[in-house]
Amino acid sequence: DVKVTQSSRYLVKRTGEKVFLECVQDMDHENMFWYRQDPGLGLRLIYFSYDVKMKEKGDIPEGYSVSREKKERFSLILESASTNQTSMYLCASSARTGNGSPLHFGNGTRLTVT
Amino acid sequence: GNSVTQMEGPVTLSEEAFLTINCTYTATGYPSLFWYVQYPGEGLQLLLKATKADDKGSNKGFEATYRKETTSFHLEKGSVQVSDSAVYFCALRYNTDKLIFGTGTRLQVFP
Repeated sequence: DVKVTQSSRYLVKRTGEKVFLECVQDMDHENMFWYRQDPGLGLRLIYFSYDVKMKEKGDIPEGYSVSREKKERFSLILESASTNQTSMYLCASSARTGNGSPLHFGNGTRLTVT
Repeated sequence: GNSVTQMEGPVTLSEEAFLTINCTYTATGYPSLFWYVQYPGEGLQLLLKATKADDKGSNKGFEATYRKETTSFHLEKGSVQVSDSAVYFCALRYNTDKLIFGTGTRLQVFP
């Protein structure tokens, strides 16, 4: 079974702090994703990485950056946290095998910015 | 652009009732279609998928048929259980490795 592990289930940070959300997958997947989930808005893609050191902006990249130095690890960085970044953050990975490849998700990190 | 529209919830049912959650999509070409489920406190899990027109995906008693003529992928189950209470997401993928999700539909099943 694919395992996608997010380092924290809950985080509370202050406005202006630099925040790191970590994600590790154990299936040698090429693709990794960061989504945020908000009520009534579903899942929105923040950033996507299709290989080590490669990244692509998603639909809502503003205020975020990412790092992928190793294939198994994909980090989401909030350079200066703001209250509107309070949300559930979901990491996912997939193999690059065409349109039918499913995403495998971690359990999420609920971030509260005060 | 590509998009997914699903019915708003919550959907509230009694145990053993029939379930339908509607999902329609807009896409150029032939996308792959997915249903994901999110149980309380957990991430999303793949429930079923279909990769071409007229394919039927099925799992755990749930079914969905890829209807190109109506651009739909409605989720159905003949007899729901309390344990099916969750949020269900319809999603598509077309010519890219990224998934586009609908807004999710919460299902509540009561004994």
